[in-house]
Amino acid sequence: AQTVTQSQPEMSVQEAETVTLSCTYDTSESNYYLFWYKQPPSRQMILVIRQEAYKQQNATENRFSVNFQKAAKSFSLKISDSQLGDTAMYFCAFMNVGGGTSYGKLTFGQGTILTVHP
Amino acid sequence: NAGVMQNPRHLVRRRGQEARLRCSPMKGHSHVYWYRQLPEEGLKFMVYLQKENIIDESGMPKERFSAEFPKEGPSILRIQQVVRGDSAAYFCASSPRILAGVETYNEQFFGPGTRLTVL
Repeated sequence: AQTVTQSQPEMSVQEAETVTLSCTYDTSESNYYLFWYKQPPSRQMILVIRQEAYKQQNATENRFSVNFQKAAKSFSLKISDSQLGDTAMYFCAFMNVGGGTSYGKLTFGQGTILTVHP
Repeated sequence: NAGVMQNPRHLVRRRGQEARLRCSPMKGHSHVYWYRQLPEEGLKFMVYLQKENIIDESGMPKERFSAEFPKEGPSILRIQQVVRGDSAAYFCASSPRILAGVETYNEQFFGPGTRLTVL
């Protein structure tokens, strides 16, 4: 079974600054994807960024980038030029894509509440 | 193309009543996942269904909970004899057909959730 751990319950950052959210995971699977989801006060789950485990290059989506350390099983999210609209709960998630009984379902961390201050 | 739809958005039940949560996947999607989010926690997988089949129900409580995804109509998550501990947000996600035997990724598109409150 997979586990995903987010050790920062809350983080805050000033507008336009950079913030990094931490995530570690544990798995015996070799083929998997990692994700960061954003959940604003509306509670809608929004996919922020995706990383394929077989890719060495870190994923980037505009102001969002990840630092994927496969050997350390670490997957942090960096938000640059933080905006007020980035205020939300952020979840790290794992998906096995290599087959087997755990295929396809998402395993989420506990979440980190990020507050961006003006 | 409408997104994943869930109804009702809010549902209030008294202890002992039944709760029925509905999920209409995106057009063309034949896979549905249900997740539960307890207050101040992350989402927890409950069940994975295809049309007329339960593929993985490892996250479903053994009693009172059931799910179906019929050939026609929405997926239904049913909770019988609700208790206060069932109060949570229930999210449905859908994805297109998964190719078996090929490492492929099918993004799960989430609905807005149903918030169940048990009095």
